[in-house]
Amino acid sequence: RKEVEQDPGPFNVPEGATVAFNCTYSNSASQSFFWYRQDCRKEPKLLMSVYSSGNEDGRFTAQLNRASQYISLLIRDSKLSDSATYLCVAYTGGFKTIFGAGTRLFVKA
Amino acid sequence: DARVTQTPRHKVTEMGQEVTMRCQPILGHNTVFWYRQTMMQGLELLAYFRNRAPLDDSGMPKDRFSAEMPDATLATLKIQPSEPRDSAVYFCASGFSAQLDTFGSGTRLTVV
Repeated sequence: RKEVEQDPGPFNVPEGATVAFNCTYSNSASQSFFWYRQDCRKEPKLLMSVYSSGNEDGRFTAQLNRASQYISLLIRDSKLSDSATYLCVAYTGGFKTIFGAGTRLFVKA
Repeated sequence: DARVTQTPRHKVTEMGQEVTMRCQPILGHNTVFWYRQTMMQGLELLAYFRNRAPLDDSGMPKDRFSAEMPDATLATLKIQPSEPRDSAVYFCASGFSAQLDTFGSGTRLTVV
């Protein structure tokens, strides 16, 4: 079993839709969590950090549930430019940052 | 914006040849990571360094891969001899303390 697992996708949604991604992690000692975005043939870029209290950045909301060991990302009012692969990331300490396989999102006009 | 610089951007080589990929971390960052990304495996951590010292390279095939940081401005990942299954995108990333901060643009390696 992989340490970080994500919804397989792809998600195909119309513009303006709300879409949610989930991610589970197996190492209960994981300390920090993040969502990265990766555009086609580009490097991953940090989208946002994830906190137990939840955090919001514009149309993006990230949530962490430590008891169930899952992380979520909600995108409201999807834009065409949101089309990308979203990577769930767990920092497990000892310099180990583990990436999920990614969920592909296609937003269509 | 500060960036992590990787060279070359693309490399096509024949099986058996040596491949060297280079990375210049962001000035002031003391942690360097090497990742490999393939469609099948996603992003895999190969090695990381802190203050130029290799802390973990358990993700690397030891017989053919080696990673070094000859100085604070240069990290290298070498494959010798290369094999077709090494074809992937290799990313370098740097950060401060233990956490990853910024990725480079990657080296797209094709071994034929």
